[in-house]
Amino acid sequence: GDSVTQMEGPVTLSEEAFLTINCTYTATGYPSLFWYVQYPGEGLQLLLKATKADDKGSNKGFEATYRKETTSFHLEKGSVQVSDSAVYFCALSQGNAGGTSYGKLTFGQGTILTVHP
Amino acid sequence: DTGVSQDPRHKITKRGQNVTFRCDPISEHNRLYWYRQTLGQGPEFLTYFQNEAQLEKSRLLSDRFSAERPKGSFSTLEIQRTEQGDSAMYLCASSEDPRGRETQYFGPGTRLLVL
Repeated sequence: GDSVTQMEGPVTLSEEAFLTINCTYTATGYPSLFWYVQYPGEGLQLLLKATKADDKGSNKGFEATYRKETTSFHLEKGSVQVSDSAVYFCALSQGNAGGTSYGKLTFGQGTILTVHP
Repeated sequence: DTGVSQDPRHKITKRGQNVTFRCDPISEHNRLYWYRQTLGQGPEFLTYFQNEAQLEKSRLLSDRFSAERPKGSFSTLEIQRTEQGDSAMYLCASSEDPRGRETQYFGPGTRLLVL
């Protein structure tokens, strides 16, 4: 079945450092890929998504590129802030060749990010 | 748009009791999903509805679990004869029809503790 693997955490960085959180997936067909973020005391929020190979999702300075050849969707940010401290989840859902995603999300285990001033 | 809401936010119960959770999706959303999240793990899919029809159930959803969406609006998730292993955060999400966008919007969750 489908699965998502995230780099083991937690990750601790100083403000303005570069961030990479690795995510790889196993899936058949045409999965769509997502990054969700969970801030302390809040619900899951969609951060960015990509629905087909070579698409780049971006939001709030974060970006991730859908790499089918390496089955990866790594999250990056050039300069993190204290307010980025949260838990980040990589996820996938099945879709069609046209880029529409549908159905259940399969999540990775999450990566805790802590950013110090 | 008030977002997805869930009630209650917290529930403590004794083993063997029944509990029911409610989810109110975003008003124009046809799809409604239930997930379960245990500490240190990502959410796991339980079941989902397209309007009032329950289209898929995970094998995680034992016979003690039942979900309904009677009028295609709010949904309830009932757990009968709760066990300590049922302790988790129960998340609800909603999305528009897949012929449109399929971003899932999550509620704040109901945290269940079974003593």
